[in-house]
Amino acid sequence: AQSVTQPDIHITVSEGASLELRCNYSYGATPYLFWYVQSPGQGLQLLLKYFSGDTLVQGIKGFEAEFKRSQSSFNLRKPSVHWSDAAEYFCAVGAGDKIIFGKGTRLHILP
Amino acid sequence: NAGVTQTPKFRVLKTGQSMTLLCAQDMNHEYMYWYRQDPGMGLRLIHYSVGEGTTAKGEVPDGYNVSRLKKQNFLLGLESAAPSQTSVYFCASRLGPTTSGANVLTFGAGSRLTVL
Repeated sequence: AQSVTQPDIHITVSEGASLELRCNYSYGATPYLFWYVQSPGQGLQLLLKYFSGDTLVQGIKGFEAEFKRSQSSFNLRKPSVHWSDAAEYFCAVGAGDKIIFGKGTRLHILP
Repeated sequence: NAGVTQTPKFRVLKTGQSMTLLCAQDMNHEYMYWYRQDPGMGLRLIHYSVGEGTTAKGEVPDGYNVSRLKKQNFLLGLESAAPSQTSVYFCASRLGPTTSGANVLTFGAGSRLTVL
């Protein structure tokens, strides 16, 4: 069965600093991979997705993620965070019919 | 272009009561999902459907039932609500088995359920 691990429950970075959120997945075949963001009290917004092809994918709001098959990882990065990036971020893996989410990483931004 | 609509948005139940959450999508999507979101637990898949008349169990199906009698609707039922079912419930849908990059989840706005 597929699973997703987001090792960091909370991350705090200063505004303008770079960001990397970690995501590891478990699945026997090539998965579909997603990153979603949820602002407080809001629904989920898709940041980016990987289905096939180029392993470095670009998303909205200046985010990117890199699929590394050898490490079963799909880490999310942003070169310079803004205060508005404070939110909870979810990695998800799609395999067959199911899409399974990680437990999320809450991002805090220091002014 | 409503997308995915969940009703009701809020509901308070007493232990042992029953209720149904309705999810409706107007995008002709084949696949539909019910998730619950709890603090520190992320989104956990309750049940899902890969087409009209089909349902399947997800990660946390106990205490819930679902039905997909029409392609556009996916109902989540609680027969005897328990305080442990207090949560925010999200419905989502997607095209289906295609590997197209458009095959992403579209979420509803969520339904907040409190069981006293």
